[in-house]
Amino acid sequence: GNSVTQMEGPVTLSEEAFLTINCTYTATGYPSLFWYVQYPGEGLQLLLKATKADDKGSNKGFEATYRKETTSFHLEKGSVQVSDSAVYFCALSPPTSGTYKYIFGTGTRLKVLA
Amino acid sequence: DAGVTQSPTHLIKTRGQQVTLRCSPKSGHDTVSWYQQALGQGPQFIFQYYEEEERQRGNFPDRFSGHQFPNYSSELNVNALLLGDSALYLCASSPGGTGSVEQYFGPGTRLTVT
Repeated sequence: GNSVTQMEGPVTLSEEAFLTINCTYTATGYPSLFWYVQYPGEGLQLLLKATKADDKGSNKGFEATYRKETTSFHLEKGSVQVSDSAVYFCALSPPTSGTYKYIFGTGTRLKVLA
Repeated sequence: DAGVTQSPTHLIKTRGQQVTLRCSPKSGHDTVSWYQQALGQGPQFIFQYYEEEERQRGNFPDRFSGHQFPNYSSELNVNALLLGDSALYLCASSPGGTGSVEQYFGPGTRLTVT
């Protein structure tokens, strides 16, 4: 079946450090892949997406590349800020016709210290 | 342009009671999905509504039911509440009847069952 696996948190970094949050997936075919961010007490906000192999999604300094060969979609940012502290969710949308749901990972909490 | 809105923000219910949660999709969106997010977990798909019908359902019991109105807004109903139903309930909307495109999430309704 379809699934998403994220690295466990929490991840604690100092401001301006480099961030990587690992995400791997299992799916038949070519799913669409997403990163969502959830700030405390809020819903989910779409951070970036990629819909086919080798696509790179980017937004607000974050980026992730759809790697079909390693079934991965790792999130990276070159220099994190305190305001990036949140929970990050990797998700996939299966390519199967008639399947509409998103499948989420368990989330990775990021804490950035000043 | 208003995004996805949900009401109420918070709700406290007693075991055995029934609850109704409401969602208005983003302007121009006609597809609504509901997710349950338990504390510390990723969202789990409950069901999706399109053209006023349930199009797909996740692994949730029949106590969870929904409805979509002609204006595309939606309700989630949960009967015979259990303590385990305590969670953040998220509504997501998407355009064009194709649920696999990016979904926009509302802020959620925090349900506490005592």
